[in-house]
Amino acid sequence: IAGITQAPTSQILAAGRRMTLRCTQDMRHNAMYWYRQDLGLGLRLIHYSNTAGTTGKGEVPDGYSVSRANTDDFPLTLASAVPSQTSVYFCASSPGTGADTQYFGPGTRLTVL
Amino acid sequence: DQQVKQNSPSLSVQEGRISILNCDYTNSMFDYFLWYKKYPAEGPTFLISISSIKDKNEDGRFTVFLNKSAKHLSLHIVPSQPGDSAVYFCAARVGSNYKLTFGKGTLLTVNP
Repeated sequence: IAGITQAPTSQILAAGRRMTLRCTQDMRHNAMYWYRQDLGLGLRLIHYSNTAGTTGKGEVPDGYSVSRANTDDFPLTLASAVPSQTSVYFCASSPGTGADTQYFGPGTRLTVL
Repeated sequence: DQQVKQNSPSLSVQEGRISILNCDYTNSMFDYFLWYKKYPAEGPTFLISISSIKDKNEDGRFTVFLNKSAKHLSLHIVPSQPGDSAVYFCAARVGSNYKLTFGKGTLLTVNP
């Protein structure tokens, strides 16, 4: 089934540890995005990539890094996790053309202790 | 500064009645608006969108209205069904920049 997969589904992480959230899409979309969802704050863009090989900063990029080595994968790395990074993380992709609807993955629930 | 605002955190309506979810924006450069629906433990799913060159877009039970002069849009669901109970996010973007700015969401509860 075409779509976006995210791994892991959930994770509990000790503060200071490094963590990579994985995101893979099979729709051959050009653009990919990472959001975090926090209660009362909605969805906030962390980083994005308009096409393979390029990335850009979103609204809340600090403490996170991304890479886009190919079209399908867009991992999000927390180099040294802090408790304020406890959140639900959603990956999304879009064609990058025309009306450009974004399609979201099921999310990763991350808890940093 | 929040550029997309959903001032009602929650809304409760009876099954069969109309649900009206509101969204205001401050950035006059926004020219494309979307509504997403989110169930618990799932990712948001696209519902309906509208370009700034239109003032209404309809898709089945869902209609989005755009009032550019007021920088306001609304989502109407008629008739509301219990399965519509979810969090609804309003989102906006500027031109060919595909990044979306989201509101905080409104939790809609449709009571049987």
